[in-house]
Amino acid sequence: AQSVTQLGSHVSVSEGALVLLRCNYSSSVPPYLFWYVQYPNQGLQLLLKYTSAATLVKGINGFEAEFKKSETSFHLTKPSAHMSDAAEYFCAVSRASGSARQLTFGSGTQLTVLP
Amino acid sequence: SQTIHQWPATLVQPVGSPLSLECTVEGTSNPNLYWYRQAAGRGLQLLFYSVGIGQISSEVPQNLSASRPQDRQFILSSKKLLLSDSGFYLCAWSLGGNNQPQHFGDGTRLSIL
Repeated sequence: AQSVTQLGSHVSVSEGALVLLRCNYSSSVPPYLFWYVQYPNQGLQLLLKYTSAATLVKGINGFEAEFKKSETSFHLTKPSAHMSDAAEYFCAVSRASGSARQLTFGSGTQLTVLP
Repeated sequence: SQTIHQWPATLVQPVGSPLSLECTVEGTSNPNLYWYRQAAGRGLQLLFYSVGIGQISSEVPQNLSASRPQDRQFILSSKKLLLSDSGFYLCAWSLGGNNQPQHFGDGTRLSIL
């Protein structure tokens, strides 16, 4: 069974500082991994996805994530935080269920950006 | 390009009343469709998914049901709402295939009084 664990339900960074949001996965097969962002009272927006091509994946809004099989990790980073990055971030792993692919989501990390 | 619409955006309903939330997708055919619930401060719980018209799979048995009367229409219903049905309901779609992401609507905030 596939699962993801997001370490740290709340992360605070200063504007301009490095953003690091942690995600570890568990999967019995090569995983497909995703990061989503959710702003208040909105749906989830796809930031990036790993689908077994390059291990360093670049996404929207300056975010990127690196797939590390040896560490079973897929951490999300951004070199310099913006106030507009304040939101909740979800890591997800794809799993097979019948004829559809499901996503198993982590519990989320709330990112606060301090001025 | 593909778009997904959910309505209403917010809904306040009394306990015991019925519910109907609607979701439609444009710009694609035969999508996989999903209903999630997000309780306050918690992650996403998959409620139902559908791979085709009339095909509904339930992930969690509960007070809710789903239907897919048309290819790109997904409806979440209840005959009698409970207080515990309060939450943020999200519809999503994806293409078939192992590496396809899901794309989400803007959600419906449901409050039960």
